[in-house]
Amino acid sequence: GEDVEQSLFLSVREGDSSVINCTYTDSSSTYLYWYKQEPGAGLQLLTYIFSNMDMKQDQRLTVLLNKKDKHLSLRIADTQTGDSAIYFCAESIRTGGFKTIFGAGTRLFVKA
Amino acid sequence: DTGVSQDPRHKITKRGQNVTFRCDPISEHNRLYWYRQTLGQGPEFLTYFQNEAQLEKSRLLSDRFSAERPKGSFSTLEIQRTEQGDSAMYLCASSPPRDKNTEAFFGQGTRLTVV
Repeated sequence: GEDVEQSLFLSVREGDSSVINCTYTDSSSTYLYWYKQEPGAGLQLLTYIFSNMDMKQDQRLTVLLNKKDKHLSLRIADTQTGDSAIYFCAESIRTGGFKTIFGAGTRLFVKA
Repeated sequence: DTGVSQDPRHKITKRGQNVTFRCDPISEHNRLYWYRQTLGQGPEFLTYFQNEAQLEKSRLLSDRFSAERPKGSFSTLEIQRTEQGDSAMYLCASSPPRDKNTEAFFGQGTRLTVV
């Protein structure tokens, strides 16, 4: 089946690291993504990782992929109040066509 | 070209009416997607076009929903005989040919309210 699950809420203090976790079920995933959505705004792609990689670092963002366990995580170092948003984990799968399956989103609250 | 454009941004309609939304993708993006997002949920895939061909349709896309991309550029999503459960944000995304980039760019969405 096609399912992406992630915890609904995370609260951290400004300056701490945030770790958002995600699990997915489809082993045919090609790319896995992290999107950010701020209130009233559209979806913004933060980063992505190809399914044959296990780690990707991009400035304050670190993505870890455990393909065996179908587990994806996003670490945000030195979390700022501007990082408060909803973070969506997503996987793309090829099934004749090409589609992306999203999780329900994790709401990150950053306390000053 | 500043991104994926969707029109209208907001639509309020009475139950039973038909509505049509338009999406203009980024130029030269041959892939186009429609998603639906309800409150507190992530986007749900509806359908996917590669050029003018509709290659994938979700079972969420009932026979009241139809999407077209006649010339491989802009796309329309029509909902016939709207129901209150159709109230949601309808998102369009586009991406370039797969061998160049995997990133899908999302529009701001059309928020539909069925009263």
